[in-house]
Amino acid sequence: QVQLKETGPGLVQPTQTLSITCTVSGFSLTSYYMQWVRQTPGKGLEWMGFIRSGGSTEYNSEFKSRLSISRDTSKNQVFLKMNSLKTEDTGVYYCAREGYTYDFDYWGQGVMVTVSS
Amino acid sequence: DVVLTQSPATLSVTPGERISLSCRASESVDTYLHWYQQKPNESPRLLIKYASQSISGIPSRFSGSGSGTDFTLSINGVELEDLSIYYCQQGNSLPHTFGAGTKLELK
Repeated sequence: QVQLKETGPGLVQPTQTLSITCTVSGFSLTSYYMQWVRQTPGKGLEWMGFIRSGGSTEYNSEFKSRLSISRDTSKNQVFLKMNSLKTEDTGVYYCAREGYTYDFDYWGQGVMVTVSS
Repeated sequence: DVVLTQSPATLSVTPGERISLSCRASESVDTYLHWYQQKPNESPRLLIKYASQSISGIPSRFSGSGSGTDFTLSINGVELEDLSIYYCQQGNSLPHTFGAGTKLELK
């Protein structure tokens, strides 16, 4: 069955870089777009960006200058890296699979990230 | 960016009643409007896709309607397990955007 699981640090210091890995099973990364969505107290659910089945990426302009999404298809993993973290980046970060009508049909359990010194 | 406005922000419900939640888009999103349910400490779960298409495993009491800018999620016979926050999301244009949510609480 389809499964997604995020792993990452629970605590990151301000100005540092956040790195999260999403490991998937039950489908191929070369057949689906993979999304990153975060949920923060200040802005609720926010779409961050995606990596297409072909490997190209799109980012929300809110994050474009500091966000990078990549993948390793041999390991069934998608990666999020975001630099210059601020306290307002505190929240839950999710990876999700995009379905064929631009919905998010499967989600990981999320990883809680706290940005604090 | 497309702004999705959900109303009401909170809805007090009685088990068994039929309810409707609204999602309005600041510009047309065709029918690329999807609904999610999120329970505390859980990930969002896709309930309805493409405005009105049902999802396997989701109870039939959930239904969706609308197109363009006005959309509705209906629950025909609310159950206690439905007390959650409901979000709409548009996939018609980038950036994908979400509404702020409607919270269902017990009356």
